[in-house]
Amino acid sequence: DVKVTQSSRYLVKRTGEKVFLECVQDMDHENMFWYRQDPGLGLRLIYFSYDVKMKEKGDIPEGYSVSREKKERFSLILESASTNQTSMYLCASSLGGLAGLRQFFGPGTRLTVL
Amino acid sequence: AQTVTQSQPEMSVQEAETVTLSCTYDTSESDYYLFWYKQPPSRQMILVIRQEAYKQQNATENRFSVNFQKAAKSFSLKISDSQLGDAAMYFCAYREGEYGNKLVFGAGTILRVKS
Repeated sequence: DVKVTQSSRYLVKRTGEKVFLECVQDMDHENMFWYRQDPGLGLRLIYFSYDVKMKEKGDIPEGYSVSREKKERFSLILESASTNQTSMYLCASSLGGLAGLRQFFGPGTRLTVL
Repeated sequence: AQTVTQSQPEMSVQEAETVTLSCTYDTSESDYYLFWYKQPPSRQMILVIRQEAYKQQNATENRFSVNFQKAAKSFSLKISDSQLGDAAMYFCAYREGEYGNKLVFGAGTILRVKS
């Protein structure tokens, strides 16, 4: 089965720090996604990448950037972390088009910004 | 923009009984897909079941089935013979058809299973 891994399960950072969240998938998927999960709001898409070096903004991109230099790796960057970015971050991957109806999720990173 | 609404923040069910989780959505598209994802405590989110909008027949996966009412824009999940392992957060999600890639999620429903 597809394996999606995230670099950390728990992370604590200070306000103003630059934060990198890493995601790696092992099934040669074209698409990769970053979501944040908050109680009562479900999952909201931050950024989406459909190919190496290609990205598309999701619903809540403000305060975030992404990088996809290799097909298997998709990084989420918080340029200057703020307390309102405390959340659970989920990475996912899928094949492209109709072959990618199913998204495969990583275990999540719970980020706390103090 | 498409929206997905889950009006039940929490549900409880007795082991071996049946429970139905509700989901409604709003879209002007005719070609789309609907999903239920399960997120067990401290474990990865997995796909439970999928429904294509063009199919009239409701999808079924073992103990999990859906009631898809396209005109009403309703997509409920029925879990039969509930088991302790069914306890999780359940998310309803929507995706546009052929050229869509992104999922729109509801807020989620926590399902508790009592023994």
